[in-house]
Formats: sequence, C-alpha cells, structure tokens
Amino acid sequence: GENVEQHPSTLSVQEGDSAVIKCTYSDSASNYFPWYKQELGKRPQLIIDIRSNVGEKKDQRIAVTLNKTAKHFSLHITETQPEDSAVYFCAATLYGNNRLAFGKGNQVVVIP
Amino acid sequence: NAGVTQTPKFRILKIGQSMTLQCTQDMNHNYMYWYRQDPGMGLKLIYYSVGAGITDKGEVPNGYNVSRSTTEDFPLRLELAAPSQTSVYFCASSYPQSSTGELFFGEGSRLTVL
Repeated sequence: GENVEQHPSTLSVQEGDSAVIKCTYSDSASNYFPWYKQELGKRPQLIIDIRSNVGEKKDQRIAVTLNKTAKHFSLHITETQPEDSAVYFCAATLYGNNRLAFGKGNQVVVIP
Repeated sequence: NAGVTQTPKFRILKIGQSMTLQCTQDMNHNYMYWYRQDPGMGLKLIYYSVGAGITDKGEVPNGYNVSRSTTEDFPLRLELAAPSQTSVYFCASSYPQSSTGELFFGEGSRLTVL
C-alpha cells in the first residue's frame, strides 16, 4: 500500500520566520496531494492541495510544491503567526482507489 | 448545512462491550470514511463507502463493522471492545464525483476502553 512519511516530526519556529514540512510517498501513480491542519482538540481541515499536473500552488502565506520525479512534496508557511501552531498532515491518493493515505503528522510550534 | 455530525463525542466502554458510533452528513456526499487517530500515528482508515449499499475495508478494519443503508448515514460498530480500540474516531465525507477532493471531517468521538 501507499506509504507517506513526513519530516520533521516536530518543528519550532520564531514568529515571522518560515516553516517547511516535507513529505515523501511511495506510489508513483498517486495524483493528488492535500495538506490538512489540525488544531489541538479540533478536527482536521484542508488548507491546500495540489494535483500531479502542477508543480507549485500558493494561497496567501502557504504554498505547496511537488516533485513527482523524487516523489516528494512540501508545505511552505511564510511569515508564521501563533495561530499557525498546529499539527499538519500530508496525504496522497492511492491511484484508481477512493482513499487517501495520511502521514503521521508534524507538530509546528510558532514561538511568539 | 450542519456538515458531518458524529455522536457521541465521548464514551467510556468496558472490555467486551459493544457500541455504535453514529455519523451523518447533509451535503449529499457519496463518499464517506471512518478514521481512527492515535497519538503520533496520524489518521488510519478503518472503513469507507463510495455510496449507499457499498462498503470496503481500509487499513485497520479488524474489530469494526459498518453499514451504509442511506447516503446520509454511515455508522461504525465496535463489537467486543478492547483496550487497543481506545482512540479518537473521525468520520468524514467528500464530494460525489471523486475521491481527489476535500474531506469534511466530523468533530470526532473520543473512545476509552477500560
């Protein structure tokens, strides 16, 4: 099955700095790569996604880049703010299947 | 729209008891999912359904059962609860045409088995 790995498991950044989280996946046929944010005690919510025919996508302070050859994709958060503190999950589709495989999550802590 | 609604939010079970986690959505989504979330382990898929009358196993189906008699409802049944089933359970749904779209999650159900 699909294997999705995230690095690092925990990331601390100073407010205003950038944060980068990387994910690798194993299934070369995966074609959709979302990122979910989960605040403490809350449900996961989609923050950005990218499809395999696009190399980069940006939405205000967050962006995602995809390298299909290397089978990795990254979440970039610029000008971090305390409300960015959360666990971030990456995921990838199982091609031809109706489900996502999730990584274990990254704890991002923004230090004021 | 209420979105995805799960009940109960919290439950404590004794070993060997059974219970059903309820999930309903009012967005007319064909696709529905049950995940469990253990600390530091991400989200593991238990069961999923692509439409009424159709269900399929995910990564960790043992000890669970589901049914999908209507588009709106996707209950998760735990038979003979075990301590290993202590977890937070999330129900989710997505748009009808494709799985490559946003998952809408419920608020979660925290289950403790003692």
